[in-house]
Amino acid sequence: DVKVTQSSRYLVKRTGEKVFLECVQDMDHENMFWYRQDPGLGLRLIYFSYDVKMKEKGDIPEGYSVSREKKERFSLILESASTNQTSMYLCASSTPSGVYEQYFGPGTRLTVT
Amino acid sequence: ELKVEQNPLFLSMQEGKNYTIYCNYSTTSDRLYWYRQDPGKSLESLFVLLSNGAVKQEGRLMASLDTKARLSTLHITAAVHDLSATYFCALTSGTYKYIFGTGTRLKVLA
Repeated sequence: DVKVTQSSRYLVKRTGEKVFLECVQDMDHENMFWYRQDPGLGLRLIYFSYDVKMKEKGDIPEGYSVSREKKERFSLILESASTNQTSMYLCASSTPSGVYEQYFGPGTRLTVT
Repeated sequence: ELKVEQNPLFLSMQEGKNYTIYCNYSTTSDRLYWYRQDPGKSLESLFVLLSNGAVKQEGRLMASLDTKARLSTLHITAAVHDLSATYFCALTSGTYKYIFGTGTRLKVLA
């Protein structure tokens, strides 16, 4: 079974803080993704990585950065958290070929006060 | 640009009834996915449909794909309370771009 884990289920941070969200997958998948999910807006892609140290911007990268130093780990960084970044953050991984099925982590509900 | 539309957005149904969720999309795509999400939880993969006419079934859920009509359906047979969740369809646009529908929130009433 593919397992994708995220460092925190719930996180409360103050405006202006630097926030790290970590995601680890154990299936040697090349592709990893960060999404945010908001009511009425569905899932929106923040960043995508197809290999170590490689990244691509998604639909809403502003205010975020990512890091992928090891294949199994993909971190999302909020350089200076703002209240409009309060959301559910979902990490996913997938293989780069075949059915490209995505496997999601449990999610991190981030509240910025 | 690939767009995905699901309907209905909300569905309240009685136990034992049948219903269908529709997923329409705007351009050609190679793969269509169905996911389930329970409140406060992450997305769980239900089905992957890869070709025109593909049909997959798991328990009371059956998914089908008509690529010519650009339509996928998720049919629920004899609904039970445990099926209450939000269901998403998604398609790939390229090798990494996944476009998700807005989801259908299903509530099955006892």
